[in-house]
Amino acid sequence: QQQVKQSPQSLIVQKGGISIINCAYENTAFDYFPWYQQFPGKGPALLIAIRPDVSEKKEGRFTISFNKSAKQFSLHIMDSQPGDSATYFCAASWRDKLSFGAGTTVTVRA
Amino acid sequence: KAGVTQTPRYLIKTRGQQVTLSCSPISGHRSVSWYQQTPGQGLQFLFEYFSETQRNKGNFPGRFSGRQFSNSRSEMNVSTLELGDSALYLCASSLQFTSTGELFFGEGSRLTVL
Repeated sequence: QQQVKQSPQSLIVQKGGISIINCAYENTAFDYFPWYQQFPGKGPALLIAIRPDVSEKKEGRFTISFNKSAKQFSLHIMDSQPGDSATYFCAASWRDKLSFGAGTTVTVRA
Repeated sequence: KAGVTQTPRYLIKTRGQQVTLSCSPISGHRSVSWYQQTPGQGLQFLFEYFSETQRNKGNFPGRFSGRQFSNSRSEMNVSTLELGDSALYLCASSLQFTSTGELFFGEGSRLTVL
């Protein structure tokens, strides 16, 4: 079963808009939460990651928000660009095992 | 620096056959993980090897096996193929263990089982 539940499955956003992807987990022992970005025909690549002692992390136009009490974390893509069109996977790690969400396909319309 | 290399990139097999996929990690990386990617299921963890030892295993049947060689190259094998094994198989390498660092993925081996 999926240990990390990701939503939505897909989203379409206009250029310049904000894309928001949400993930939820049950295992409070998870201690590392990365996001991976995958373009068609390529393997996933690390985008940004956060540890549970931090509530927010920003790298350029990408921000992770982490809510430990709600056991949720989300990825915000600000000023979305056509080049951001990709599939995004959230993940969570415990005991050296990384569990991925099902993925969100983001399409940015010009 | 060369990335993670997976071979073959595409292959077609029939039910009941077996398949071996190969992965060459980034030079210096000692950890290699394997994932199965299918639409709607995301990436499902198969197993992780570190210094030739399997450190973790996902919830896949025994038909799925792997190994790692002394040069860190890894292979995974699927025996008695089933239609549901059709997927993209991704290999990832990292310097240390999966949970403590960045995973570097290859482009995958796309397996089609007819």
